[in-house]
Amino acid sequence: GENVEQHPSTLSVQEGDSAVIKCTYSDSASNYFPWYKQELGKGPQLIIDIRSNVGEKKDQRIAVTLNKTAKHFSLHITETQPEDSAVYFCAASLPWGNEKLTFGTGTRLTIIP
Amino acid sequence: KAGVTQTPRYLIKTRGQQVTLSCSPISGHRSVSWYQQTPGQGLQFLFEYFSETQRNKGNFPGRFSGRQFSNSRSEMNVSTLELGDSALYLCASRSDRVDNEQFFGPGTRLTVL
Repeated sequence: GENVEQHPSTLSVQEGDSAVIKCTYSDSASNYFPWYKQELGKGPQLIIDIRSNVGEKKDQRIAVTLNKTAKHFSLHITETQPEDSAVYFCAASLPWGNEKLTFGTGTRLTIIP
Repeated sequence: KAGVTQTPRYLIKTRGQQVTLSCSPISGHRSVSWYQQTPGQGLQFLFEYFSETQRNKGNFPGRFSGRQFSNSRSEMNVSTLELGDSALYLCASRSDRVDNEQFFGPGTRLTVL
């Protein structure tokens, strides 16, 4: 089955700096790669996603890149703010009919004021 | 549009008991998936229901079961509870579009004593 690895497990950055979280996946048939943000006491919130026919996607301060050949994808957060502090999860999903999400182990991001 | 709702939010049970958790998906969403989140194992897929039929199943014992009603609301049941079943149980709903986006509820925190 699919296996997703995520690094780093913890990340601390100064407010205003950029943060990068990386994930690799094992199943080349996976075609959907979402990123979730989870704050304490809440469920995961979808913040951005990318599909296998796209190499990069950006939404304001957040961007995701995908390298299908190397089977890895990354989350980039620029101009970080204190409210970006949370646990971030990457995930991978197979095509329609088998959309269960396989998650990475999470990255605890701390923004230092 | 209202998000995914889960009830109850917190539950305390003792070993050997059984428990039923409820999930109401986003209006119009027919797919409901369940995930277990623990510090040790992370986020793991339990099962997915689509139009009252279980479509996918994760690697959990038969003590974990679920069902979906005609209004797309879903319940999951855990019988003969074990200490290791203590976890945050998350429900996610997905629209019929081939977009894969899954939106999570706040979860039910189950503690088994």
